[in-house]
Amino acid sequence: DTAVSQTPKYLVTQMGNDKSIKCEQNLGHDTMYWYKQDSKKFLKIMFSYNNKELIINETVPNRFSPKSPDKAHLNLHINSLELGDSAVYFCASSPTLGRSSTDTQYFGPGTRLTVL
Amino acid sequence: AQSVTQPDIHITVSEGASLELRCNYSYGATPYLFWYVQSPGQGLQLLLKYFSGDTLVQGIKGFEAEFKRSQSSFNLRKPSVHWSDAAEYFCAVGPQSNDYKLSFGAGTTVTVRA
Repeated sequence: DTAVSQTPKYLVTQMGNDKSIKCEQNLGHDTMYWYKQDSKKFLKIMFSYNNKELIINETVPNRFSPKSPDKAHLNLHINSLELGDSAVYFCASSPTLGRSSTDTQYFGPGTRLTVL
Repeated sequence: AQSVTQPDIHITVSEGASLELRCNYSYGATPYLFWYVQSPGQGLQLLLKYFSGDTLVQGIKGFEAEFKRSQSSFNLRKPSVHWSDAAEYFCAVGPQSNDYKLSFGAGTTVTVRA
């Protein structure tokens, strides 16, 4: 009964390849996020979707494209992978978008991407 | 813009000793504040959060945090540390009403020695 799940947990690939990471939440939340955690463990938001609508799109290379087929899923597709894309990518979800006492972000276990 | 500073990069504490992790925030309005814990190889787990009301917040695993507006701080404490508390701890602030981002501090690594 995992709340926020991600697949795969580990992803090792060559430079130039295209890869996808999938995220699913079974909490009934409206909002989902992608974060990147770099080698120094710094967490930075990449994207946010609310009811399948893109809300936050940080300064991320356009090689990264999020796709939300429905409210419960937010996938991350990465084209032409580069060495600098190596990181841990976390998916998260929250009940709604914005400021509410119930709005807490719940994180998935992370996907460790290694680009060789 | 909102931001979070965690002044301590690494803290080592003996098992059974008390622990305090510092967090300072910069925010234009009443902040929403969070502490998350990341165990090795794991995702982030919410320890506690502050939205309003009582400035002393109780969380899971015996942790508590105190919001001090005058000091722009939200320090995390635990009276007696267990070896399983060894992890990375992140303080976060946000989101604002017109900026839905959660901003994280750089994290504090806690090592517990026997």
